[in-house]
Amino acid sequence: KQEVTQIPAALSVPEGENLVLNCSFTDSAIYNLQWFRQDPGKGLTSLLLIQSSQREQTSGRLNASLDKSSGRSTLYIAASQPGDSATYLCAVMEYGNKLVFGAGTILRVKS
Amino acid sequence: GAVVSQHPSRVICKSGTSVKIECRSLDFQATTMFWYRQFPKQSLMLMATSNEGSKATYEQGVEKDKFLINHASLTLSTLTVTSAHPEDSSFYICSAQAGRTEAFFGQGTRLTVV
Repeated sequence: KQEVTQIPAALSVPEGENLVLNCSFTDSAIYNLQWFRQDPGKGLTSLLLIQSSQREQTSGRLNASLDKSSGRSTLYIAASQPGDSATYLCAVMEYGNKLVFGAGTILRVKS
Repeated sequence: GAVVSQHPSRVICKSGTSVKIECRSLDFQATTMFWYRQFPKQSLMLMATSNEGSKATYEQGVEKDKFLINHASLTLSTLTVTSAHPEDSSFYICSAQAGRTEAFFGQGTRLTVV
């Protein structure tokens, strides 16, 4: 059974810092991996999608990498801003097109 | 990215009544829609997978007679919580996909049963 783990569970940083969120998964038979952002009481916003054949994706200040063989992904946020404060979720898509989610990393960027 | 609209965003109902939540993909045809439940400070728990024109597939432990799912078209899926009780109070979120592609999520529905 696929298990997705995110480390750290919570992170507090001063504004302007670069930071890395980690995601690991136990079964490398995935179609893709997505990073999402969730604000309190809201739905999920898709940040980046990495196909299983890709190594990384970039969007603005965000960069996500994927090492499928080792079951790891990282989300790099450059020059963090208070508006980046949210819960970040990673999810892998497996057979049946289902997403398996990690528990999330709660990020707080202090101004 | 694509837009998925979920309605209502918030609903309060009396115990014993039924509540319907709608999930619409506004700018693409969703072959599959998923329904999740999220408890406070926890991640999303998949409840069921809904394919257009066929019966929903429920995850283990989810009562299909209590959580009725209908996926009548490629742009609309509905979740009906029947005979709701306070323990059904939760945050419900839908997502839509066109095959094995990026998943897009609705805004979520906060259900409170009093």
